[in-house]
Amino acid sequence: EAGVVQSPRYKIIEKKQPVAFWCNPISGHNTLYWYRQNLGQGPELLIRYENEEAVDDSQLPKDRFSAERLKGVDSTLKIQPAELGDSAVYLCASSSWTGQETQYFGPGTRLLVL
Amino acid sequence: AQTVTQSQPEMSVQEAETVTLSCTYDTSESNYYLFWYKQPPSRQMILVIRQEAYKQQNATENRFSVNFQKAAKSFSLKISDSQLGDTAMYFCAFIVRAQGGSEKLVFGKGTKLTVNP
Repeated sequence: EAGVVQSPRYKIIEKKQPVAFWCNPISGHNTLYWYRQNLGQGPELLIRYENEEAVDDSQLPKDRFSAERLKGVDSTLKIQPAELGDSAVYLCASSSWTGQETQYFGPGTRLLVL
Repeated sequence: AQTVTQSQPEMSVQEAETVTLSCTYDTSESNYYLFWYKQPPSRQMILVIRQEAYKQQNATENRFSVNFQKAAKSFSLKISDSQLGDTAMYFCAFIVRAQGGSEKLVFGKGTKLTVNP
């Protein structure tokens, strides 16, 4: 079974530039999460999708961040414009409604904003 | 507020020995799940072990086992026969089971474990 796929793995941009991250969850997983992990910290949730509906985006900085999961499968997270403080690892995870409550993570995208 | 505390920022252990990582959490909910994730330098977050709060029996997974003390809200991870490949950041996390689906994982700040040859 293929795991969660994310691309790109690394991205270096200058501040004020836009950037986008892509995630393809495990097949059949209804729930998709985007987390941000700052250096030396645990991941923090940005947004959670149940199928194509964003059911928790309370921690998403909506002035510059946006996300979509149009067909309830893969998802894109965008930052526009990027700021120096956005440098972090962006993790995507997915889970299914089997009662297992286990989230499986992708390899992450390491973003560096210069 | 739901929080996770890992009081040991760094630990080290000799290969083949046993090490225990501490974790405490705070929640007013009764239906939740606890996890230990491992994050090696490659940064892939890997599930190590999970525990359902309603189960009294401690979970085990090969060399990994937990000591779950629900009343004390404690969830420690024991690694037996430590191997060099166990070197990684270890995150304790929990999730509250909500009606209709999952909620967010709440993570601790992690413990950096180094296994020495």
